[in-house]
Amino acid sequence: AQSVTQLDSQVPVFEEAPVELRCNYSSSVSVYLFWYVQYPNQGLQLLLKYLSGSTLVKGINGFEAEFNKSQTSFHLRKPSVHISDTAEYFCAVSDRGRDDKIIFGKGTRLHILP
Amino acid sequence: GAGVSQSPSNKVTEKGKDVELRCDPISGHTALYWYRQSLGQGLEFLIYFQGNSAPDKSGLPSDRFSAERTGGSVSTLTIQRTQQEDSAVYLCASSFSTAQFFGPGTRLTVL
Repeated sequence: AQSVTQLDSQVPVFEEAPVELRCNYSSSVSVYLFWYVQYPNQGLQLLLKYLSGSTLVKGINGFEAEFNKSQTSFHLRKPSVHISDTAEYFCAVSDRGRDDKIIFGKGTRLHILP
Repeated sequence: GAGVSQSPSNKVTEKGKDVELRCDPISGHTALYWYRQSLGQGLEFLIYFQGNSAPDKSGLPSDRFSAERTGGSVSTLTIQRTQQEDSAVYLCASSFSTAQFFGPGTRLTVL
């Protein structure tokens, strides 16, 4: 069965510093991987997704993530964060090739410190 | 419509009452999901509909929870005999092939 682990429930980062939000998954098959973002008092929106091809995926707002099959990871990174990046970030996985249910991690709350 | 819509946006009810939450998915999306998000918690999967297949109900927390999807489109999540621990934001999402698109959610408060 699939599962997603986001090791950090909260990550404080100073403004303009780099950030990495960690995500590890487990699955017995090949997967699709996603990062979603939920800004305060808003719904979830897709940040980026890995379906196939290049393992480095670029998303909105300057975020990127790298798929590492050997480490079963899909960490999210941004070289320089802004106050507006304050949000909760969710990693998710689904089985490749099937419109199967997407499993979400518990989320990581990103706090941007001035 | 352009996105997933949910109604009502807010619902306040008394303990023991039944509630119905509605989700209108994006037209043409074959998959529909319900999640629950409690304060400080992640996304809790509740139920998943895919086309005409039997729904995956493995996430429903108790038999007080049920959901249906009529005509492969609109879905209703019903919570019977609500309890205070049912208070949460209930999110609906739909998808066609890969990523899900989420609705704004229904905030349920059980007094």
